[in-house]
Amino acid sequence: KQEVTQIPAALSVPEGENLVLNCSFTDSAIYNLQWFRQDPGKGLTSLLLIQSSQREQTSGRLNASLDKSSGRSTLYIAASQPGDSATYLCAVRQEGGKLIFGQGTELSVKP
Amino acid sequence: DTAVSQTPKYLVTQMGNDKSIKCEQNLGHDTMYWYKQDSKKFLKIMFSYNNKELIINETVPNRFSPKSPDKAHLNLHINSLELGDSAVYFCASSQFSGSTEAFFGQGTRLTVV
Repeated sequence: KQEVTQIPAALSVPEGENLVLNCSFTDSAIYNLQWFRQDPGKGLTSLLLIQSSQREQTSGRLNASLDKSSGRSTLYIAASQPGDSATYLCAVRQEGGKLIFGQGTELSVKP
Repeated sequence: DTAVSQTPKYLVTQMGNDKSIKCEQNLGHDTMYWYKQDSKKFLKIMFSYNNKELIINETVPNRFSPKSPDKAHLNLHINSLELGDSAVYFCASSQFSGSTEAFFGQGTRLTVV
């Protein structure tokens, strides 16, 4: 049974810092891994999608890596801003499109 | 243009009532999903429909009945609502085959009193 774990559960950093969010999964038989952002009371916004054959994806200040064999992914955020404050969720896609989510990392960036 | 839209955004109702949540996607995807986010913010899949056919049912109580009139719509009907049904329900869509990105609606916050 696939299990997805995100560490840390919460993170508070001063503005301008670079930071890394971690995601691990127990079953390497995944189709892809997707990072989402969720603002309080809002829906999920897709940030980055990494296919199982890829090692990393970049979008602006965000860089996500994937090591499928070890069951790990990281989300790197460069030069963090207060507007980056949100909960970040990783999810792995399994057969039939089912997503298995981690419990999220709540990020707070202080001005 | 909203890719995945759900209505209503908020729903407050009494125990024992029956309610429905509607979802529509305009992305041309062939698969739609319902996820439940509990009070600890954990997201878990409930149902998945591919071209109007149920393909995933994650041991959800049979008080929950999804209905897909066509591949662009997936509704969720809940009978005899209980306090424990209070949660945020998210609709999502993607392509069934391949490895495509999933898109989510803005969620429906259901509160049972």
